[in-house]
Amino acid sequence: NAGVTQTPKFQVLKTGQSMTLQCAQDMNHNSMYWYRQDPGMGLRLIYYSASEGTTDKGEVPNGYNVSRLNKREFSLRLESAAPSQTSVYFCASSEAGTSYGYTFGSGTRLTVV
Amino acid sequence: QKEVEQNSGPLSVPEGAIASLNCTYSDRVSQSFFWYRQYSGKSPELIMSIYSNGDKEDGRFTAQLNKASQYVSLLIRDSQPSDSATYLCAVKGSARQLTFGSGTQLTVLP
Repeated sequence: NAGVTQTPKFQVLKTGQSMTLQCAQDMNHNSMYWYRQDPGMGLRLIYYSASEGTTDKGEVPNGYNVSRLNKREFSLRLESAAPSQTSVYFCASSEAGTSYGYTFGSGTRLTVV
Repeated sequence: QKEVEQNSGPLSVPEGAIASLNCTYSDRVSQSFFWYRQYSGKSPELIMSIYSNGDKEDGRFTAQLNKASQYVSLLIRDSQPSDSATYLCAVKGSARQLTFGSGTQLTVLP
């Protein structure tokens, strides 16, 4: 049981380059999320998808786009990377409803130079 | 004011002692509360959830919730060096997504 799988694990980009972070879950969860984690800032929500076919902005959406490709997959795209987007990115999934916590992927460590 | 606040620490306790981790939240309609453990360089791992006032025990872990005071805590009994990690408090409130605190770094000294 893989849970939540993220690719790549590490990436270095030059300012202005684009890339897509991939996320897939095999738990049949309805909801999926993208967070970034920076030192001293905790986990901050970038975008989420409450169900297949829907996406919504979180706390820090600027500079990012997302696609909920199907129930399993939720990708995060950086169209023009900036040094401020250097961070660790986590994808997570959960059942819908207030009683459920999230299951996280192993993370992508992104450096923008 | 942050929505979920934790003392960043670091908190150091000797092996075998009780570690007490605290968290306050600002959204009064929050319904669900979670504690995650995150080892350095790893992803957060869910260790406890609590929804009602009072205590909830799971092995060496006890979560405590006081909605009137908007306070949730995690006690770790008989602390072990393997408990050394950052502990994240997360709250699901009116926004219906988890909001995380910035975490408390715990070190258990052998």
